[in-house]
Amino acid sequence: AQSVTQPDIHITVSEGASLELRCNYSYGATPYLFWYVQSPGQGLQLLLKYFSGDTLVQGIKGFEAEFKRSQSSFNLRKPSVHWSDAAEYFCAADSTDSWGKLQFGAGTQVVVTP
Amino acid sequence: NAGVMQNPRHLVRRRGQEARLRCSPMKGHSHVYWYRQLPEEGLKFMVYLQKENIIDESGMPKERFSAEFPKEGPSILRIQQVVRGDSAAYFCASSPTESGNTEAFFGQGTRLTVV
Repeated sequence: AQSVTQPDIHITVSEGASLELRCNYSYGATPYLFWYVQSPGQGLQLLLKYFSGDTLVQGIKGFEAEFKRSQSSFNLRKPSVHWSDAAEYFCAADSTDSWGKLQFGAGTQVVVTP
Repeated sequence: NAGVMQNPRHLVRRRGQEARLRCSPMKGHSHVYWYRQLPEEGLKFMVYLQKENIIDESGMPKERFSAEFPKEGPSILRIQQVVRGDSAAYFCASSPTESGNTEAFFGQGTRLTVV
Protein backbone atom coordinates (compact mmCIF):
# COMPACT_ATOMS: atom_id res chain seq x y z
CA ALA A 1 0.00 0.00 0.00
CA GLN A 2 1.12 3.55 -0.66
CA SER A 3 2.25 5.44 2.40
CA VAL A 4 4.14 8.48 3.62
CA THR A 5 6.00 8.26 6.91
CA GLN A 6 7.35 11.04 9.07
CA PRO A 7 9.30 9.26 11.80
CA ASP A 8 9.59 12.26 14.11
CA ILE A 9 6.40 13.41 15.77
CA HIS A 10 8.03 16.27 17.63
CA ILE A 11 11.35 18.11 17.26
CA THR A 12 12.76 20.86 19.44
CA VAL A 13 15.47 23.06 18.00
CA SER A 14 17.25 26.18 19.20
CA GLU A 15 16.87 29.38 17.24
CA GLY A 16 19.75 29.68 14.81
CA ALA A 17 20.42 25.95 14.73
CA SER A 18 19.90 23.76 11.70
CA LEU A 19 16.77 21.70 11.18
CA GLU A 20 16.15 18.48 9.30
CA LEU A 21 12.77 16.80 9.06
CA ARG A 22 12.58 13.28 7.73
CA CYS A 23 10.10 11.88 5.24
CA ASN A 24 9.99 8.44 3.67
CA TYR A 25 7.56 7.21 1.08
CA SER A 26 6.43 3.82 -0.12
CA TYR A 27 5.09 3.88 -3.66
CA GLY A 28 5.41 1.60 -6.65
CA ALA A 29 6.87 4.41 -8.73
CA THR A 30 8.42 7.67 -7.63
CA PRO A 31 5.56 9.96 -6.70
CA TYR A 32 5.37 13.71 -6.78
CA LEU A 33 6.53 14.96 -3.37
CA PHE A 34 5.61 18.01 -1.35
CA TRP A 35 6.31 19.69 1.95
CA TYR A 36 3.63 21.84 3.57
CA VAL A 37 3.73 23.95 6.71
CA GLN A 38 0.75 24.58 8.98
CA SER A 39 0.78 27.28 11.61
CA PRO A 40 -1.66 26.95 14.52
CA GLY A 41 -5.24 27.43 13.40
CA GLN A 42 -4.21 28.03 9.83
CA GLY A 43 -4.34 26.21 6.55
CA LEU A 44 -1.48 24.61 4.72
CA GLN A 45 1.17 26.51 2.85
CA LEU A 46 3.32 24.82 0.25
CA LEU A 47 7.03 25.09 1.03
CA LEU A 48 8.39 23.19 -1.95
CA LYS A 49 7.68 20.35 -4.35
CA TYR A 50 9.56 17.76 -6.35
CA PHE A 51 8.30 16.49 -9.66
CA SER A 52 11.47 15.47 -11.51
CA GLY A 53 14.94 16.69 -12.37
CA ASP A 54 17.32 18.20 -9.87
CA THR A 55 17.10 16.24 -6.64
CA LEU A 56 17.84 19.26 -4.46
CA VAL A 57 14.79 21.48 -4.38
CA GLN A 58 14.73 25.03 -3.09
CA GLY A 59 11.59 26.36 -1.48
CA ILE A 60 10.26 29.40 0.28
CA LYS A 61 11.36 30.73 3.68
CA GLY A 62 14.88 29.36 3.22
CA PHE A 63 13.86 25.69 3.14
CA GLU A 64 15.26 23.05 0.85
CA ALA A 65 14.64 19.34 0.40
CA GLU A 66 16.64 16.53 -1.13
CA PHE A 67 15.07 13.64 -2.98
CA LYS A 68 16.97 10.37 -2.60
CA ARG A 69 15.53 7.58 -4.70
CA SER A 70 17.74 4.91 -3.15
CA GLN A 71 16.42 5.72 0.32
CA SER A 72 12.85 6.59 -0.72
CA SER A 73 13.31 9.80 1.20
CA PHE A 74 12.53 13.46 0.78
CA ASN A 75 13.99 15.22 3.83
CA LEU A 76 13.42 18.88 4.53
CA ARG A 77 16.22 21.12 5.78
CA LYS A 78 16.87 24.64 6.90
CA PRO A 79 20.37 25.84 7.84
CA SER A 80 19.27 28.30 10.52
CA VAL A 81 15.80 28.32 12.05
CA HIS A 82 13.91 31.37 13.17
CA TRP A 83 11.32 31.51 15.94
CA SER A 84 8.67 31.98 13.24
CA ASP A 85 9.46 28.50 11.89
CA ALA A 86 7.66 26.93 14.83
CA ALA A 87 4.78 25.07 13.21
CA GLU A 88 3.71 21.65 12.05
CA TYR A 89 5.26 20.31 8.90
CA PHE A 90 3.66 17.75 6.61
CA CYS A 91 5.25 15.69 3.90
CA ALA A 92 2.86 14.60 1.15
CA ALA A 93 2.98 12.46 -1.96
CA ASP A 94 0.87 12.11 -5.05
CA SER A 95 1.26 9.19 -7.41
CA THR A 96 1.11 9.84 -11.10
CA ASP A 97 -2.18 8.03 -11.43
CA SER A 98 -4.08 9.29 -8.41
CA TRP A 99 -5.64 12.38 -9.97
CA GLY A 100 -3.83 14.80 -7.70
CA LYS A 101 -5.01 13.10 -4.52
CA LEU A 102 -2.41 13.76 -1.84
CA GLN A 103 -1.32 11.28 0.83
CA PHE A 104 0.02 13.00 3.90
CA GLY A 105 2.39 11.93 6.62
CA ALA A 106 1.29 12.35 10.21
CA GLY A 107 3.26 15.55 10.59
CA THR A 108 6.22 16.77 12.62
CA GLN A 109 5.67 19.44 15.24
CA VAL A 110 8.64 21.83 15.42
CA VAL A 111 9.27 23.85 18.56
CA VAL A 112 11.87 26.60 18.46
CA THR A 113 13.56 27.60 21.73
CA PRO A 114 15.39 30.88 22.33
CA ASN B 1 -6.62 36.70 -7.14
CA ALA B 2 -8.25 35.42 -4.02
CA GLY B 3 -7.12 32.08 -2.68
CA VAL B 4 -9.29 29.13 -1.78
CA MET B 5 -12.09 30.41 0.43
CA GLN B 6 -13.73 28.23 3.01
CA ASN B 7 -16.61 29.18 5.25
CA PRO B 8 -17.44 29.15 7.94
CA ARG B 9 -14.04 29.08 9.65
CA HIS B 10 -15.57 27.64 12.78
CA LEU B 11 -18.78 25.70 13.09
CA VAL B 12 -20.40 24.30 16.21
CA ARG B 13 -23.16 21.75 15.87
CA ARG B 14 -25.09 19.66 18.36
CA ARG B 15 -25.18 15.93 17.89
CA GLY B 16 -27.78 15.00 15.30
CA GLN B 17 -27.69 18.30 13.44
CA GLU B 18 -26.43 18.85 9.93
CA ALA B 19 -23.18 20.58 9.03
CA ARG B 20 -22.63 22.28 5.68
CA LEU B 21 -19.12 23.34 4.77
CA ARG B 22 -18.45 25.54 1.78
CA CYS B 23 -15.42 25.86 -0.45
CA SER B 24 -14.89 28.33 -3.26
CA PRO B 25 -11.87 27.31 -5.34
CA MET B 26 -9.36 29.71 -6.77
CA LYS B 27 -10.42 31.48 -9.91
CA GLY B 28 -9.87 29.25 -12.91
CA HIS B 29 -9.66 26.07 -10.84
CA SER B 30 -12.22 23.39 -11.62
CA HIS B 31 -10.82 20.60 -9.45
CA VAL B 32 -11.66 20.46 -5.76
CA TYR B 33 -10.43 18.11 -3.06
CA TRP B 34 -11.70 17.74 0.50
CA TYR B 35 -9.49 16.53 3.33
CA ARG B 36 -10.17 15.88 7.00
CA GLN B 37 -7.69 16.43 9.78
CA LEU B 38 -8.48 14.73 13.06
CA PRO B 39 -6.76 16.02 16.21
CA GLU B 40 -3.07 15.06 16.33
CA GLU B 41 -3.22 13.50 12.87
CA GLY B 42 -2.30 14.36 9.32
CA LEU B 43 -4.77 15.16 6.60
CA LYS B 44 -6.78 12.33 5.09
CA PHE B 45 -8.24 12.51 1.63
CA MET B 46 -12.03 12.39 1.46
CA VAL B 47 -13.28 13.25 -2.00
CA TYR B 48 -12.22 14.71 -5.34
CA LEU B 49 -14.72 16.60 -7.46
CA GLN B 50 -14.86 18.40 -10.73
CA LYS B 51 -17.74 20.59 -11.77
CA GLU B 52 -20.94 18.52 -11.43
CA ASN B 53 -18.98 15.28 -11.07
CA ILE B 54 -17.60 13.21 -8.22
CA ILE B 55 -14.37 11.70 -9.50
CA ASP B 56 -13.09 9.84 -6.45
CA GLU B 57 -14.93 9.45 -3.15
CA SER B 58 -12.84 6.61 -1.81
CA GLY B 59 -12.09 8.49 1.41
CA MET B 60 -15.65 9.42 2.27
CA PRO B 61 -17.43 7.61 5.08
CA LYS B 62 -20.20 5.49 3.60
CA GLU B 63 -22.97 7.10 5.58
CA ARG B 64 -23.99 10.66 6.49
CA PHE B 65 -21.32 12.36 4.34
CA SER B 66 -21.89 13.77 0.89
CA ALA B 67 -20.20 16.30 -1.37
CA GLU B 68 -21.12 18.26 -4.43
CA PHE B 69 -19.57 20.81 -6.75
CA PRO B 70 -22.36 22.35 -8.81
CA LYS B 71 -21.98 24.16 -12.08
CA GLU B 72 -22.46 27.44 -10.26
CA GLY B 73 -21.44 28.19 -6.73
CA PRO B 74 -19.10 26.67 -4.19
CA SER B 75 -18.39 23.07 -3.41
CA ILE B 76 -20.36 21.80 -0.41
CA LEU B 77 -19.38 19.10 2.03
CA ARG B 78 -22.46 17.99 3.93
CA ILE B 79 -22.48 15.95 7.10
CA GLN B 80 -25.85 14.75 8.29
CA GLN B 81 -26.67 13.77 11.87
CA VAL B 82 -23.26 14.77 13.16
CA VAL B 83 -21.60 12.80 15.95
CA ARG B 84 -18.75 13.76 18.29
CA GLY B 85 -16.31 11.82 16.15
CA ASP B 86 -16.96 14.20 13.25
CA SER B 87 -15.20 16.98 15.17
CA ALA B 88 -12.20 17.84 13.03
CA ALA B 89 -10.73 20.41 10.70
CA TYR B 90 -11.96 20.06 7.14
CA PHE B 91 -9.74 21.46 4.41
CA CYS B 92 -10.52 22.12 0.82
CA ALA B 93 -7.92 22.36 -1.92
CA SER B 94 -8.22 23.31 -5.56
CA SER B 95 -6.07 22.87 -8.63
CA PRO B 96 -6.33 23.97 -12.24
CA THR B 97 -5.99 20.52 -13.77
CA GLU B 98 -6.37 16.90 -12.81
CA SER B 99 -2.73 16.09 -13.30
CA GLY B 100 -0.69 15.35 -10.22
CA ASN B 101 2.17 17.58 -11.28
CA THR B 102 0.35 20.75 -10.39
CA GLU B 103 0.13 22.43 -7.07
CA ALA B 104 -3.00 22.14 -4.99
CA PHE B 105 -3.83 25.30 -3.06
CA PHE B 106 -5.43 24.89 0.33
CA GLY B 107 -8.01 26.95 2.12
CA GLN B 108 -7.73 27.82 5.80
CA GLY B 109 -10.15 25.11 6.78
CA THR B 110 -13.39 24.80 8.68
CA ARG B 111 -13.08 23.63 12.24
CA LEU B 112 -16.14 21.64 13.15
CA THR B 113 -16.96 21.04 16.78
CA VAL B 114 -19.78 18.70 17.68
CA VAL B 115 -21.15 19.17 21.18
